[in-house]
Amino acid sequence: SYELTQPLSVSVALGQTARITCGGNNIGSKSVHWYQQKPGQAPVLVIYRDTNRPSGIPERVSGSNSGNTATLTISRAQAGDEADYYCQVWVSGTAVFGGGTKLTVL
Amino acid sequence: EVQLLESGGGLVQPGGSLRLSCAASGFIFSINAVSWVRQTPGKGLEWVSAIDGSGSKTNYADSVKGRFTISRDNAKNTLYLQMNSLRAEDTAVYYCARETPPYFVSGSYDYWGQGALVAVSS
Repeated sequence: SYELTQPLSVSVALGQTARITCGGNNIGSKSVHWYQQKPGQAPVLVIYRDTNRPSGIPERVSGSNSGNTATLTISRAQAGDEADYYCQVWVSGTAVFGGGTKLTVL
Repeated sequence: EVQLLESGGGLVQPGGSLRLSCAASGFIFSINAVSWVRQTPGKGLEWVSAIDGSGSKTNYADSVKGRFTISRDNAKNTLYLQMNSLRAEDTAVYYCARETPPYFVSGSYDYWGQGALVAVSS
């Protein structure tokens, strides 16, 4: 079965750039979606189809996807960006989620 | 405003059954695929099942195939998940989520409900 690998945690200093990776076999050939989830809340879509931001998501949030790694980049990190982040792809009609990454803003 | 509101969660014994509902509003329900995604307390997201807008196509995760049934009533703007033969490992918060139209099992989830807790325990 297809697996998506994310680091358990990423730390970033306030105002700096955080990069959260999502590894998968030839993931560059798939469309990757990213979700943010804060404690006690439902997930929120932050990037769809690799690089696209839904309305209301700031420009400092961006995505890329190539080869075996997709990356979510958060520039000028703020305290409000602290959350769990999940990548997701579709494989043969089933959705696969990464294990999630906890982003800590120091 | 798009809203998804789950109901029907609760405590059930192993081997028992439960039906979740998800009431949708603020969009044309019948043209959107919707899914159930669950989350074990303190852990990650796990996709459970998806259904297309008409209700004619359904997909399931291997972990629930044969035990869970997804369905929808477009006249009532409601999604359902019938869960039978429940196990302890089915304990989770169950979210309904809308797939960005016009996709089915290929798009992103642009709206999520707040979740319903299902606890399977004796």
